[in-house]
Amino acid sequence: GAVVSQHPSWVICKSGTSVKIECRSLDFQATTMFWYRQFPKQSLMLMATSNEGSKATYEQGVEKDKFLINHASLTLSTLTVTSAHPEDSSFYICSGQLNTEAFFGQGTRLTVV
Amino acid sequence: DAKTTQPTSMDCAEGRAANLPCNHSTISGNEYVYWYRQIHSQGPQYIIHGLKNNETNEMASLIITEDRKSSTLILPHATLRDTAVYYCIVLSSNTGKLIFGQGTTLQVKP
Repeated sequence: GAVVSQHPSWVICKSGTSVKIECRSLDFQATTMFWYRQFPKQSLMLMATSNEGSKATYEQGVEKDKFLINHASLTLSTLTVTSAHPEDSSFYICSGQLNTEAFFGQGTRLTVV
Repeated sequence: DAKTTQPTSMDCAEGRAANLPCNHSTISGNEYVYWYRQIHSQGPQYIIHGLKNNETNEMASLIITEDRKSSTLILPHATLRDTAVYYCIVLSSNTGKLIFGQGTTLQVKP
């Protein structure tokens, strides 16, 4: 299957700083990518849909000014968590769409201290 | 978006078939049923998907009822490495979004 790679796999940052997470489709072009967040012992929650060359669309309740999404190329989408706080600590996962299948990255564990 | 209902947890003996049910009674005619699984602290892994016919691949089989209101994922010979959370998802035909429910935690026991 197709490969989606996230970087970094884990990151620790200080409260108030910003963190950027990259999501790359390595062997296919993804015009659409999705970003999810997962808290411990919970399911994945869709945060936003990232569309190449246009603005992301956010799910209800997700702050677009806090979670900045950029999808400047067909193989890269980035999620920036701005002014991170401890409650933003979570597992962030992206997926790239290829035909009728979604391929997921390995996830990024963010810990805000 | 069609919602799915799955049992919270199931156990299966190693080497036996694991049958994971899913109800999706509000599914629309052109919406696919997808199955993913997630092993602890990893991204979801695609297993299989189908529209109305039964499907089989190297990982599993998917049995969809004739009325499409439910389906069953079958792992023919479960191994300890199949212990994971299994998600049954209906792909929105309008948005292409995969909306995850709570899934079924499958515990394969020796």
